[in-house]
Amino acid sequence: QQQVKQSPQSLIVQKGGISIINCAYENTAFDYFPWYQQFPGKGPALLIAIRPDVSEKKEGRFTISFNKSAKQFSLHIMDSQPGDSATYFCAATFKAAGNKLTFGGGTRVLVKP
Amino acid sequence: GAVVSQHPSRVICKSGTSVKIECRSLDFQATTMFWYRQFPKQSLMLMATSNEGSKATYEQGVEKDKFLINHASLTLSTLTVTSAHPEDSSFYICSASTAIGELFFGEGSRLTVL
Repeated sequence: QQQVKQSPQSLIVQKGGISIINCAYENTAFDYFPWYQQFPGKGPALLIAIRPDVSEKKEGRFTISFNKSAKQFSLHIMDSQPGDSATYFCAATFKAAGNKLTFGGGTRVLVKP
Repeated sequence: GAVVSQHPSRVICKSGTSVKIECRSLDFQATTMFWYRQFPKQSLMLMATSNEGSKATYEQGVEKDKFLINHASLTLSTLTVTSAHPEDSSFYICSASTAIGELFFGEGSRLTVL
């Protein structure tokens, strides 16, 4: 059972554009939602994370929007740059799970110059 | 952010041999470490949860005798792939949990079994 569904699988955006990646979850016990960025041949790097007590969190060009009632959250990359080209994974976990992450399927983002 | 180091980053071995991969948290103590496996263009698949001083908890379908995990200290966990075969070739990634629940990943170890 896939508890975190991520879309789209791939995304092409022009430099300066906005990349939007969406995730939906099923388990209402989840209380921590991180996003990871992964470059080829490297481990994932924590990008930004949110807890369900806030609806939005912004760090630089990266923003998470969170909709608790819809059980959805999304990552927005503003002013996308070629260096943002990577695979992005959303994830979810909850404290009782010992921080064991459930990952989305990933989105390959390509930013064209 | 916190640093998690994995070693080796790449390893090639012959079929039937065993390979050990180390995961170290360099600037924090990690009571819990996680081991993942990732196939090309796929998401990360959790293999096991490693707690310092106790036996690892394996996910369903992961052979514990095949993938030996040892978490000897608060900064080191090791994954040993025993009697490796070509189908074990994959990208293995560890992560470590900080005291406040943040998770940081290692750089990954690419295993190729000939």
